[in-house]
Amino acid sequence: DGGITQSPKYLFRKEGQNVTLSCEQNLNHDAMYWYRQDPGQGLRLIYYSQIVNDFQKGDIAEGYSVSREKKESFPLTVTSAQKNPTAFYLCASTPGRENSPLHFGNGTRLTVT
Amino acid sequence: GESVGLHLPTLSVQEGDNSIINCAYSNSASDYFIWYKQESGKGPQFIIDIRSNMDKRQGQRVTVLLNKTVKHLSLQIAATQPGDSAVYFCAENQAGTALIFGKGTTLSVSS
Repeated sequence: DGGITQSPKYLFRKEGQNVTLSCEQNLNHDAMYWYRQDPGQGLRLIYYSQIVNDFQKGDIAEGYSVSREKKESFPLTVTSAQKNPTAFYLCASTPGRENSPLHFGNGTRLTVT
Repeated sequence: GESVGLHLPTLSVQEGDNSIINCAYSNSASDYFIWYKQESGKGPQFIIDIRSNMDKRQGQRVTVLLNKTVKHLSLQIAATQPGDSAVYFCAENQAGTALIFGKGTTLSVSS
C-alpha cells in the first residue's frame, strides 16, 4: 500500500542532543511537509519542500533543519537550539498540484528531558 | 498573521444524532478548504474538501458547507457513531501557499 512512514513512533532524547526524525513516502508525491503539534493545538508548519534539493521555512523553522536529497525522503533534525522540542511531529505529502489535500504519516512523539 | 479558527473546542453528542462542527477563517483570498479527522496518537485523515467556487459538497455521511460572505465553514456528520469520536480540524489555503490549520474541535460521541 502507498503511504507515508514516520519512524520511530516514540523518541526520547536528552536536552542538548540533536535528533533526526525520519519521513519516507512511496506515493510519488513531489511536495513534503513537516508540522509540529502541541497538546490541544492545531498544526504549525516547520518546513516544506516542493521539489528535490529545495525547501522553504515555515512559520516555526527556528531550531530545525531539513534536507531533501531524494523525492521519497524528507528527514527533520531537531537541533539543540530548539527551545521547546517536546511535541508530536507530523510529516505530510501532496502531489504538488494546486488544491490537493495533504496525506499525513502517523507521527513521531518526541520527548526531550 | 492569517489564521483559521473553530468556534468550539469540544462537542458532545449522542450516537445517532447529527453533528455540526464549525470553523471561521480570516483570509478572504483562500480558495481551498479541507476537513481532517485525527484520532489519538495518529496523523490527520482527510475527510472532505471544497473549493471556493462551491458552497456545498457531500460525501458519505458528511457534508461541508462554505459561506464565503461570512467566511464560515462547517462540517456536518449524519447519524454520528462512536467511531466518529476524534479531533476535527479545518484547514485552508490560497493557491501556492501551505495549508493553515485551525486548533481543532474534539467530538465525543456517547452511546
